[in-house]
Amino acid sequence: ETGVTQSPTHLIKTRGQQVTLRCSSQSGHNTVSWYQQALGQGPQFIFQYYREEENGRGNFPPRFSGLQFPNYSSELNVNALELDDSALYLCASSRGGQLGGSFGYTFGSGTRLTVV
Amino acid sequence: KQEVTQIPAALSVPEGENLVLNCSFTDSAIYNLQWFRQDPGKGLTSLLLIQSSQREQTSGRLNASLDKSSGRSTLYIAASQPGDSATYLCAVKVVFGKGTKLTVNP
Repeated sequence: ETGVTQSPTHLIKTRGQQVTLRCSSQSGHNTVSWYQQALGQGPQFIFQYYREEENGRGNFPPRFSGLQFPNYSSELNVNALELDDSALYLCASSRGGQLGGSFGYTFGSGTRLTVV
Repeated sequence: KQEVTQIPAALSVPEGENLVLNCSFTDSAIYNLQWFRQDPGKGLTSLLLIQSSQREQTSGRLNASLDKSSGRSTLYIAASQPGDSATYLCAVKVVFGKGTKLTVNP
């Protein structure tokens, strides 16, 4: 059983640029969620995808967008990067599509994004 | 709006001590509560998942309890070891607490 894999592991971007982060869900999981974690804080929910549709979103602006593909993998896109976007971005997969559903979440190791 | 609070923010104990980490939440309409461990700069490792119908779950030296009516969960770690040093996070639906940073001293 393969776990959740994220790429790249580290990334440095310039303010104003765009970035795409990738996530492969755990085998058997059809739901993907993305989180932003600033230093010393708990993860903040960005959005969740189920059956290729966004079915839940946290308090993040529209420049944070995503996709889910038929194989349940997912992308997080961030446009017009700001310095405050520097954080660890975590992807989690689960089953069933409910926000905080019964099966719990499996997390990847994250992508460390630095905006300079 | 769900809010999750973890107390204490940091805890330092000698090796071998039993300890309790606390998690409280404001909305009791939950499916489950999940405890995670996070090592510095790393992703989250799931420790225990307690369904809303359950009172507790155990895995090795870890025991998590859930009291939905009072909006509380505890994570009990028995016979702590230096390798237990990490940040422990609880999550309800998609809301996380800020975590408890645990240091176990040899």
